[in-house]
Amino acid sequence: QSVLTQPPSVSGAPGQRVTISCTGSSSNIGSGYDVHWYQQLPGTAPKLLIYGNNNRPSGVPDRFSGSRSGTSASLAITGLQAEDEADYYCQSYDNSLSAWVFGGGTKLTIL
Amino acid sequence: QLQLQESGPGLVKPSETLSLICTVSGGSISSSSHFWGWIRQPPGKGLEWIGSIFYSGSTSYNPSLKSRVTISVDTSKNQFSLKLNSVTAADTAVYYCARQEVTVTKPFDYWGQGTVVTVSS
Repeated sequence: QSVLTQPPSVSGAPGQRVTISCTGSSSNIGSGYDVHWYQQLPGTAPKLLIYGNNNRPSGVPDRFSGSRSGTSASLAITGLQAEDEADYYCQSYDNSLSAWVFGGGTKLTIL
Repeated sequence: QLQLQESGPGLVKPSETLSLICTVSGGSISSSSHFWGWIRQPPGKGLEWIGSIFYSGSTSYNPSLKSRVTISVDTSKNQFSLKLNSVTAADTAVYYCARQEVTVTKPFDYWGQGTVVTVSS
């Protein structure tokens, strides 16, 4: 069981908007530690998608955005495209474990 | 462009030691600004941080694996390595090496392509 909780799956039609939640606790997100998001296309390594809650690395489309509030964070994807079909993971730091922790991952399916 | 590449045996017998190396190119592992870490992903499952090392040799390990893990660094070869002992089938996974800035709040920004390790007799 992951320290950060994500829905196992979400889906949306091309052009629509979806959000993926990441729920933590007072020892990780709730302590103010930044949340990062990774996109993992089938058969490939994870790629940094959002860092520091709401920042996009160079080359990531502005269709992807992140937010953090309290003990949770969210990833929003607007204007869904077929190429967005992938697994998405949130990540933060947990001070009770003294460990970097990941969510269990969310599979995005494009209908 | 920074690149990381994992290497090592793809098959390890139960109770033996898994050993992997990550070779860094396009940058120096002796950077005072970065940690170097190992992350794994069992088949069909999520990501798990194993541990990280600083170029000085200072390490940090996942408490759930700490008793079985050793991470070391060889700055002369620009490499760092992972040893996981007493492996079982539960250690079967894709193992990734990755870079992270020296602050707990920073992400893993560069990843290797990953290497599959199967634990089986």
